[in-house]
Amino acid sequence: AQTVTQSQPEMSVQEAETVTLSCTYDTSESDYYLFWYKQPPSRQMILVIRQEAYKQQNATENRFSVNFQKAAKSFSLKISDSQLGDAAMYFCAYRSASVTGNQFYFGTGTSLTVIP
Amino acid sequence: KAGVTQTPRYLIKTRGQQVTLSCSPISGHRSVSWYQQTPGQGLQFLFEYFSETQRNKGNFPGRFSGRQFSNSRSEMNVSTLELGDSALYLCASSLNRAVNYGYTFGSGTRLTVV
Repeated sequence: AQTVTQSQPEMSVQEAETVTLSCTYDTSESDYYLFWYKQPPSRQMILVIRQEAYKQQNATENRFSVNFQKAAKSFSLKISDSQLGDAAMYFCAYRSASVTGNQFYFGTGTSLTVIP
Repeated sequence: KAGVTQTPRYLIKTRGQQVTLSCSPISGHRSVSWYQQTPGQGLQFLFEYFSETQRNKGNFPGRFSGRQFSNSRSEMNVSTLELGDSALYLCASSLNRAVNYGYTFGSGTRLTVV
């Protein structure tokens, strides 16, 4: 079974600064997708960014970017110019590209605090 | 466009009772998945429904069941509630089963078992 590990239960960052959240995963599959989701107090899981394993180029979405190291099975999230609205739980997730493995595997989450 | 709607938002039940939670996917979405979120176990997959058929099931006891209707709305049922069933139950919908279609989550139902 696939496992996703987030080793930082809590992180904090000054407003306007940059922070990196870590994630490692374990899988024997070669074709899969990786995600970062944000869960604010409203409880809804919101997609931050997605990476296809077959793509070597790291995904970027505005202030959010990833460092995807396939051989090392590492998938970190960098948040630049942090804003107060970025404060939330962040979950790293894995999903097989195969329809038969159609579920998310989530890490335990990192609680991000943004200090004004 | 309306998002994924889960009802009720909060629920308090007594041990031994049963409960039914509802999830209305985004219009046109045919795949619905359910997840349980607890502080101890994190987010765990319960089951996935597509075209009214259960396609995938997580490692949960038979007390947890679900179904999907012809309009893609889904319900999950937990019978003989235990204290450990207290959790946030999230559902996610997608246009299709393939992962590249993307998934949208609802805000969940917070179930408390007393």
